[in-house]
Amino acid sequence: DGGITQSPKYLFRKEGQNVTLSCEQNLNHDAMYWYRQDPGQGLRLIYYSQIVNDFQKGDIAEGYSVSREKKESFPLTVTSAQKNPTAFYLCASSLGDAYNEQFFGPGTRLTVL
Amino acid sequence: DAKTTQPPSMDCAEGRAANLPCNHSTISGNEYVYWYRQIHSQGPQYIIHGLKNNETNEMASLIITEDRKSSTLILPHATLRDTAVYYCIVRPDQTGANNLFFGTGTRLTVIP
Repeated sequence: DGGITQSPKYLFRKEGQNVTLSCEQNLNHDAMYWYRQDPGQGLRLIYYSQIVNDFQKGDIAEGYSVSREKKESFPLTVTSAQKNPTAFYLCASSLGDAYNEQFFGPGTRLTVL
Repeated sequence: DAKTTQPPSMDCAEGRAANLPCNHSTISGNEYVYWYRQIHSQGPQYIIHGLKNNETNEMASLIITEDRKSSTLILPHATLRDTAVYYCIVRPDQTGANNLFFGTGTRLTVIP
């Protein structure tokens, strides 16, 4: 089955700790994205990558970092500099920046205690 | 920036058509209208998109007005599993324009 996976589904961390969220896709998509969603709100773009070894900041990149060493993987690190990290994090992928249908993973709900 | 306006919530009886409106009065000539939906605590799911012609697929129909300032997503026979938040998004279909702006959408509740 082709798809996009995120793990874990629920994640708890203590304040001040960095945490890395996993995102993997086997759809052979070039582009990948990270969004953040707060309760009752829409999605906001954190980072996106159009190709391996390249990524761009989205609207709310402060306090986050990413890497894109492999086409299939786009991990997101929530650093201690992110002031309000508790949120639902969604990863997505698409064929390329000219193809607008984005396929989303199931999400990771991060709670910082 | 929010380029679309949607009602915050709607109800629909099971088996009836659900008509979800979206206003996009500032849409420009090269911007497409996209619809996604998000079932509670899951990732959004693509439904349909269009530029100026009406579109239909296995999930829904998209009706875009002639002046393109508004559109309606139609779920022809709503089921309980269609209960979700529906997002209407406008964006240019061109290289580099990767940001899908998801507003707060319309929460559709299908009632048995």
